[in-house]
Amino acid sequence: DAGVTQSPTHLIKTRGQHVTLRCSPISGHKSVSWYQQVLGQGPQFIFQYYEKEERGRGNFPDRFSARQFPNYSSELNVNALLLGDSALYLCASSLRAGQETQYFGPGTRLLVL
Amino acid sequence: AQKITQTQPGMFVQEKEAVTLDCTYDTSDPSYGLFWYKQPSSGEMIFLIYQGSYDQQNATEGRYSLNFQKARKSANLVISASQLGDSAMYFCAMREDQMTTDSWGKLQFGAGTQVVVTP
Repeated sequence: DAGVTQSPTHLIKTRGQHVTLRCSPISGHKSVSWYQQVLGQGPQFIFQYYEKEERGRGNFPDRFSARQFPNYSSELNVNALLLGDSALYLCASSLRAGQETQYFGPGTRLLVL
Repeated sequence: AQKITQTQPGMFVQEKEAVTLDCTYDTSDPSYGLFWYKQPSSGEMIFLIYQGSYDQQNATEGRYSLNFQKARKSANLVISASQLGDSAMYFCAMREDQMTTDSWGKLQFGAGTQVVVTP
């Protein structure tokens, strides 16, 4: 079975631009979570979606938004990019929200110049 | 406040030896889960092992075992018979199960421990 997939794998943007990152969960999983991992640190929670509803939001500015589609795939959008948004963006899926193990995708490496 | 503390930034271990990675956590939630993930240089976070706060026995998965000491709030990962492919960053993470929070299911990660396995 296919694991979590993310696209694109790498992305270079300039300050002020907008970016959309995509994630497809493991088949049968209904929850998707997004994490930001800055170089040298552990991942930081951004959002969790379950059944197309936002279930959790981390301490990130409103420039960050996400949504989940009827097929449970998800998009993470970041507006007005800053240099500090350069990071590895990880998507994780789980059967449900809450007390389930999260399985991660390969991530999208975003570089903001 | 830091919820997950990994005090070892890096470790060298010889092939076929065992290695213990330290993790302490801080929570007042009586129900929580503890996870270990492996992150090779490629970036993908690979799930290794899970321990629930109410589990009576320490979790084991193949060469991985979790030394869970609830009173001390520690959840150390033991890798037995290290292999060259074990070289990676290892993260300890915690999920708090309070259903009153907006971030139910959120994982909180430590800073990680870099493990290098030498021949």
